[in-house]
Amino acid sequence: DTEVTQTPKHLVMGMTNKKSLKCEQHMGHRAMYWYKQKAKKPPELMFVYSYEKLSINESVPSRFSPECPNSSLLNLHLHALQPEDSALYLCASSPTIGDLNEQFFGPGTRLTVL
Amino acid sequence: AQSVAQPEDQVNVAEGNPLTVKCTYSVSGNPYLFWYVQYPNRGLQFLLKYITGDNLVKGSYGFEAEFNKSQTSFHLKKPSALVSDSALYFCAVRDMSGYAGKSTFGDGTTLTVKP
Repeated sequence: DTEVTQTPKHLVMGMTNKKSLKCEQHMGHRAMYWYKQKAKKPPELMFVYSYEKLSINESVPSRFSPECPNSSLLNLHLHALQPEDSALYLCASSPTIGDLNEQFFGPGTRLTVL
Repeated sequence: AQSVAQPEDQVNVAEGNPLTVKCTYSVSGNPYLFWYVQYPNRGLQFLLKYITGDNLVKGSYGFEAEFNKSQTSFHLKKPSALVSDSALYFCAVRDMSGYAGKSTFGDGTTLTVKP
């Protein structure tokens, strides 16, 4: 299984809502990533997990809270988001952090904040 | 600091013609370069990478890329374009100077192949 899955595909939420994005991979990868992507723009790195521990936080606002409950799962908890947070949120994985392997990307969650 | 530049926002080619999507890079150490493709409403898919060795790298779906150290370029090529190649293409460079090996992506080039 060489797939990264993400749920939900689409999410619409109000600024006072709490929601979560989920990412799963079964390739045995120990590095997992969250990216934010605006339309026609490159992905922007948000968080990197290595062996279930947070390795990189790219100065992301605290209204985004990542969680890695096990080696296959990655969550992104959302609370009190702003309309400008509307974007495609991509999850990715790779065998380990800091190697020269390519990243495997999920299809993304299209988030709209009203 | 490392960076990549994709000088063309848009590339248009006719089906059956060769295509080139350009990428130039700037790194302080060895360059580790990647190409990804993104179809509408999808995640990025890996096409090919240059780590070391032959300057001509072959990848998925008939794509190849030529690494040119003197011109600091890593252009993506395909001898005969298909309509289904129409997508958004990103060049990326890995920074291995730090622990994490973070990727820096170019701004992307939209390829349109017309029948």
